[in-house]
Amino acid sequence: GQQVMQIPQYQHVQEGEDFTTYCNSSTTLSNIQWYKQRPGGHPVFLIQLVKSGEVKKQKRLTFQFGEAKKNSSLHITATQTTDVGTYFCAGSSGGSYIPTFGRGTSLIVHP
Amino acid sequence: KAGVTQTPRYLIKTRGQQVTLSCSPISGHRSVSWYQQTPGQGLQFLFEYFSETQRNKGNFPGRFSGRQFSNSRSEMNVSTLELGDSALYLCASSSGLEGHGYTFGSGTRLTVV
Repeated sequence: GQQVMQIPQYQHVQEGEDFTTYCNSSTTLSNIQWYKQRPGGHPVFLIQLVKSGEVKKQKRLTFQFGEAKKNSSLHITATQTTDVGTYFCAGSSGGSYIPTFGRGTSLIVHP
Repeated sequence: KAGVTQTPRYLIKTRGQQVTLSCSPISGHRSVSWYQQTPGQGLQFLFEYFSETQRNKGNFPGRFSGRQFSNSRSEMNVSTLELGDSALYLCASSSGLEGHGYTFGSGTRLTVV
């Protein structure tokens, strides 16, 4: 079945440093979604990418979808303590619109 | 607009018992999906309901079942609980509109002892 791998599992940064998490799929994706889960919270939808090579920005967050639609990345510029949480990618492929979630990257920001 | 409501928030059950969890989706959302979240396995898809019909099912044993009512509210049931069923159970509703993703509820934390 479809597998979505996400790296790294954990990332410690000093406040102000940049952060990137990477997502790779074993199959070509029709779309990819990104979610953020704060400690003790639930996943919150951030964005969906659909087109090959697509790049979208939300303030300090930049999301990219690879040309082959098999990988994606989330980059945060100048991290803040409010960015703490686990970031999940979730990809859908084939005839299924049910997304498969990656294991997530937990971001820890040190003030 | 009210979000996705899950009840109860916390539950402690004994091995062998059964449990029913409830989810009320966002008004107007007809698709409801259930996920199990554990530290070891991450977010695992259980099933999806749309207009009272199970449309998709994940790879979970038959002890896990669900249903959806005409008002789109959904319940999931786990029978003969095992210790490994301890997890955060998340319900997510979707409008089906392009680019909108899932809206998750706060989840039910189930502990099996």
